[in-house]
Amino acid sequence: QQPVQSPQAVILREGEDAVINCSSSKALYSVHWYRQKHGEAPVFLMILLKGGEQKGHEKISASFNEKKQQSSLYLTASQLSYSGTYFCGTEVGNTDKLIFGTGTRLQVFP
Amino acid sequence: NAGVTQTPKFQVLKTGQSMTLQCAQDMNHEYMSWYRQDPGMGLRLIHYSVGAGITDQGEVPNGYNVSRSTTEDFPLRLLSAAPSQTSVYFCASSYSSADTQYFGPGTRLTVL
Repeated sequence: QQPVQSPQAVILREGEDAVINCSSSKALYSVHWYRQKHGEAPVFLMILLKGGEQKGHEKISASFNEKKQQSSLYLTASQLSYSGTYFCGTEVGNTDKLIFGTGTRLQVFP
Repeated sequence: NAGVTQTPKFQVLKTGQSMTLQCAQDMNHEYMSWYRQDPGMGLRLIHYSVGAGITDQGEVPNGYNVSRSTTEDFPLRLLSAAPSQTSVYFCASSYSSADTQYFGPGTRLTVL
């Protein structure tokens, strides 16, 4: 039931782009994206509800393909501050259970 | 507005001991949840609650109990600690499971 994230790790230079994918074997009601820096709590980035919408947040945006049960997080012109571990969280159906993936570690170097 | 608070921040237990991890929020959120985080495993849902008096199991509920007597508090109890419960525990709250989750700072638990 845990969503699958890919890739597991990404290394970037400042200014480069990255895509993180999240997929589920079950129908999704919502997809959440969070970023966690080392030793800190996860911090909210965005939520996408079923309907195939795309959202944007500064240079970070995401899409949700309800039919394919997939979501992707797009990071453009990456900054050093983007470094951290990114988690997608999925709610299967309308179950009130928010299940997170195993995370994608992103490192941005100067 | 303190947000989500967790106590203690660090705890060391011996196998077989019991303890309660405290979680409180002052945002009037109905939805609260507990996650454990282990290296390479991501965040795994232990228990969650959609409101006072209502709790349900998550992915990894064995060895943990919860109760929700008030909207503000959602304590997590370890009845007989085991080394496999060594982890970082996060409490989160929100208006619902489909809303922004606000995470507490975490409790780092070591069971010897």
